Amino acid sequence: QKEVEQNSGPLSVPEGAIASLNCTYSDRGSQSFFWYRQYSGKSPELIMFIYSNGDKEDGRFTAQLNKASQYVSLLIRDSQPSDSATYLCAVMGAGSARQLTFGSGTQLTVLP
Amino acid sequence: GAVVSQHPSWVICKSGTSVKIECRSLDFQATTMFWYRQFPKQSLMLMATSNEGSKATYEQGVEKDKFLINHASLTLSTLTVTSAHPEDSSFYICSALSTDTQYFGPGTRLTVL
Repeated sequence: QKEVEQNSGPLSVPEGAIASLNCTYSDRGSQSFFWYRQYSGKSPELIMFIYSNGDKEDGRFTAQLNKASQYVSLLIRDSQPSDSATYLCAVMGAGSARQLTFGSGTQLTVLP
Repeated sequence: GAVVSQHPSWVICKSGTSVKIECRSLDFQATTMFWYRQFPKQSLMLMATSNEGSKATYEQGVEKDKFLINHASLTLSTLTVTSAHPEDSSFYICSALSTDTQYFGPGTRLTVL
């Protein structure tokens, strides 16, 4: 069974700090990796996706992928109170169904 | 780009009635759409995969006769909750696939009285 594990938190960081969110996955055949942000009562919103080993940066967000360790992370620099949300790690396998396996999410609180 | 809409955003219905939820990809064509359900404080649960022009694929434990899915065009998938009961009250979210990335609609909150 494909599994995606995240630390459920809650994770609290002060405003302006770096928030580090981690995710591990069990299926070595996984091809694509996604981070979604979900505010309370809202649907998930795509933040970033990453396919290749290494880092990918987009503004204040950096996704890191290490396929050998089956590890994905998301760094949020200069964290803002508006970043307070649940962050979902999602993994897409190599199959044709293109389904996502989600982690349970990490709840992040950025303290003003 | 990659905007997905859902209608209605919320609905209240009486037990035993049917409710239809629409999911539209506004600026792209989506051969594949997905339907999820989310209960409070829980993670997303995939209900079914909807493919344009073919029958939906339902996840284990999801009643296909209760949750009817139709994907008649490349921009529209519908989910009909038939004979709804209070336990069907939940947040229903669709997503549409574009270039191997799922983009989510805003969700529909269903309350069955």
